[in-house]
Amino acid sequence: SQTIHQWPATLVQPVGSPLSLECTVEGTSNPNLYWYRQAAGRGLQLLFYSVGIGQISSEVPQNLSASRPQDRQFILSSKKLLLSDSGFYLCAWSVLTGLITEAFFGQGTRLTVV
Amino acid sequence: AQKITQTQPGMFVQEKEAVTLDCTYDTSDPSYGLFWYKQPSSGEMIFLIYQGSYDQQNATEGRYSLNFQKARKSANLVISASQLGDSAMYFCAMREGNTGFQKLVFGTGTRLLVSP
Repeated sequence: SQTIHQWPATLVQPVGSPLSLECTVEGTSNPNLYWYRQAAGRGLQLLFYSVGIGQISSEVPQNLSASRPQDRQFILSSKKLLLSDSGFYLCAWSVLTGLITEAFFGQGTRLTVV
Repeated sequence: AQKITQTQPGMFVQEKEAVTLDCTYDTSDPSYGLFWYKQPSSGEMIFLIYQGSYDQQNATEGRYSLNFQKARKSANLVISASQLGDSAMYFCAMREGNTGFQKLVFGTGTRLLVSP
């Protein structure tokens, strides 16, 4: 069965520090991968998506970047965190072929920038 | 413009009663998909139910059913026989794109509180 792992679960980082959040998927090949951010009490905003290794598309301009060094690994990074980067970050995957009828999420990372 | 609208920030229901969470959507694509997710306080997003735009029947999954009214562009979630564990945030989402890349666009959510 397919599983998605995301870590760390919580993170407190000072302003100006770097960030690296990792997400890995098991039990499937060539997934679509997504990074979403959820601000407190709000809906999910799509940040990045990837359809393959090294293929990253950004949905909104921001202080963050994403990379996909391996088929089932998706990394969210920042060189210098801002206070506004605080939020709940969720990684998700869906099948690459056909119409998406399900998308599965990781447990999320709660990031607080202080 | 909002593509997914959830107008109820919060809903209250008593245990064992049914509740309807509203969702309206906006798209000009004839082929689309609608999803509902549950987010408990732990933060994980739990997939509940899916409805395709060409599906003839309303989707059902256990106590969850989707009241799909295509002409009105609404996809309301109905939870029957509410349980205390149903207390959570509920998000409606729509699939955008049918060829190549597809993504899910989410509404702002509805917080459901089930009381004993």
